[in-house]
Amino acid sequence: DAGITQSPRHKVTETGTPVTLRCHQTENHRYMYWYRQDPGHGLRLIHYSYGVKDTDKGEVSDGYSVSRSKTEDFLLTLESATSSQTSVYFCAISDRAASTDTQYFGPGTRLTVL
Amino acid sequence: AQSVSQHNHHVILSEAASLELGCNYSYGGTVNLFWYVQYPGQHLQLLLKYFSGDPLVKGIKGFEAEFIKSKFSFNLRKPSVQWSDTAEYFCAMRGNTGKLIFGQGTTLQVKP
Repeated sequence: DAGITQSPRHKVTETGTPVTLRCHQTENHRYMYWYRQDPGHGLRLIHYSYGVKDTDKGEVSDGYSVSRSKTEDFLLTLESATSSQTSVYFCAISDRAASTDTQYFGPGTRLTVL
Repeated sequence: AQSVSQHNHHVILSEAASLELGCNYSYGGTVNLFWYVQYPGQHLQLLLKYFSGDPLVKGIKGFEAEFIKSKFSFNLRKPSVQWSDTAEYFCAMRGNTGKLIFGQGTTLQVKP
């Protein structure tokens, strides 16, 4: 398995509070991604990063921000959590965005917003 | 818009039955196609992938998939399922945006 960890693995928070999820990799891969998984929707891309301090929006970026100050860490922040952000969040990494590249996923973070 | 559709949302099979999960994508250009599996409580793992060449792709754990360009399909198959195959299966594509687009997922339940 690719060296990807996510923290925390489970979190319960209240509406309106800020939440930060961390993804850490030991593979030195350039690309990192944040997805959310919801029943009936599969996985949807929130934000991704193509290098240190280089990030871009995905399909469902509203209400989320990201930061990447080091190659190994990619942080996802919910600025003011809402119940609609209750979900399972997965981080993924890949070596490059080339056509032959494959994304590998972390263990996930289950977030509940009350 | 690029999209992926998995027709079967929930499949129940008995052990030793054959499996075929449907996946269709919407995109007219060159695609990369993937099947991922998520066992209960675990993260997504890559089952197999197609980039080019032989349209019949073999993956781990006895799974295979066939890319049929004329049908925009990439169905997953296994001749004989086991109880341990109980999981959720996701089809995904990558088109010209370079981003992965996932289908809704299919939950497979295998009865012993």
